[in-house]
Amino acid sequence: EVQLVESGGGLVQPGGSLRLSCAASGFTFSSYSMNWVRQAPGKGLEWVSYISSGSSAKYYADSVKGRFTISRDNAKDSLYLQMNSLRVEDTAVYYCARRGSYYESSGSRYYYYMDVWGKGTTVTVSS
Amino acid sequence: DIQMTQSPSSLSASVGDRVTITCRASQSISNSLNWYQQKPGKAPKLLIYAASSLQSGVPSSFSGSGSGTDFTLTISSLQPEDFATYYCQQSYSTPYTFGQGTKLEIK
Repeated sequence: EVQLVESGGGLVQPGGSLRLSCAASGFTFSSYSMNWVRQAPGKGLEWVSYISSGSSAKYYADSVKGRFTISRDNAKDSLYLQMNSLRVEDTAVYYCARRGSYYESSGSRYYYYMDVWGKGTTVTVSS
Repeated sequence: DIQMTQSPSSLSASVGDRVTITCRASQSISNSLNWYQQKPGKAPKLLIYAASSLQSGVPSSFSGSGSGTDFTLTISSLQPEDFATYYCQQSYSTPYTFGQGTKLEIK
């Protein structure tokens, strides 16, 4: 079964740090790019970060740039999100999501989507 | 950044109804548009990718259309399990922005 399981969430004070993990199973993790997406309480979805399969490309939302670092260990089938200088507004459920792709031969281009999601881990930033 | 705007924000409908949700991008995104369904306390689920391709295992009552800046998600005949929140998302360029969501409620 294809599965993603997040862990590492918890309660942290403003200015603190937390490291989230996402364990992958049931597919060849090293072949897929991955994303982190978060959802604040009662709010919509917000893309946070992306990492390519070999870690050569990393992208971040402006809201977390310079504070969060995405990484992966393909030998351990694991994705990570190091979160520093946490703010109250970082409070959310954090999901890891696999990037799927579809090649449209007629247009000679790829389309990307998030096809496998974990159940999420909750991060609460509060004093 | 590309802004994604969904309408309506909420919608009341009955079992068996046909419903349409729209999503507009602030600039052309070709067909790089995905639709997700989310139920309370659950992770999002991919329904439609590349604007109109049905994800494996998703009922054929769901369909997507559009290109460029204007897109639609249509549910042809609502089932009880379809009442949820729906999000569009562009994958044309980072940041991969989502629409604000459309909450579909039972009338």
